[in-house]
Amino acid sequence: GEDVEQSLFLSVREGDSSVINCTYTDSSSTYLYWYKQEPGAGLQLLTYIFSNMDMKQDQRLTVLLNKKDKHLSLRIADTQTGDSAIYFCARIMFSGGYNKLIFGAGTRLAVHP
Amino acid sequence: SAVISQKPSRDICQRGTSLTIQCQVDSQVTMMFWYRQQPGQSLTLIATANQGSEATYESGFVIDKFPISRPNLTFSTLTVSNMSPEDSSIYLCSVELLAGMETQYFGPGTRLLVL
Repeated sequence: GEDVEQSLFLSVREGDSSVINCTYTDSSSTYLYWYKQEPGAGLQLLTYIFSNMDMKQDQRLTVLLNKKDKHLSLRIADTQTGDSAIYFCARIMFSGGYNKLIFGAGTRLAVHP
Repeated sequence: SAVISQKPSRDICQRGTSLTIQCQVDSQVTMMFWYRQQPGQSLTLIATANQGSEATYESGFVIDKFPISRPNLTFSTLTVSNMSPEDSSIYLCSVELLAGMETQYFGPGTRLLVL
């Protein structure tokens, strides 16, 4: 996953907004994704954005895509303790006849009172 | 989306033994994938399992160590063979619901500890 990079840790106060950032090197990906992993659980697909979009909003989640800078961000409004988890950025890569996900290292979000 | 289950959810195994992990989906899917997540790490694709053909392995993973079966459109197994402590990881299966849909949904994972 070295071509998808994320900061490893983010701490926010409950009720504030969280912004998790991701950069990638390959601009050919058609889709970019955010997955959430809670302790002891699998990966939950949070949202995704198509490469021809700049922004996508889904309730408390806002995804921003800057294709020029190859930068993706996930903003969580009104962050709650239940949002504490690891957030993975991923891009799709078509290789060998199938789509493969390339993941970043994950950002651990800690929400404190 | 789809309901994806994995068995076992966790296991503790002795080195040198093998473990077969099952992945079941509640609908027919074209592509199934197996990932490994080593402790504190991100996910790495092991192989892609397409029904009716042999699995396609990523660099660094071989069939003798991680044999995969895909007997039908709703089921797949991954075997971790001749285990060592370095195989201690979470193993996750994922599915692509429609061919070319480019969105993958994950199972809950199997947590494996090798002693």
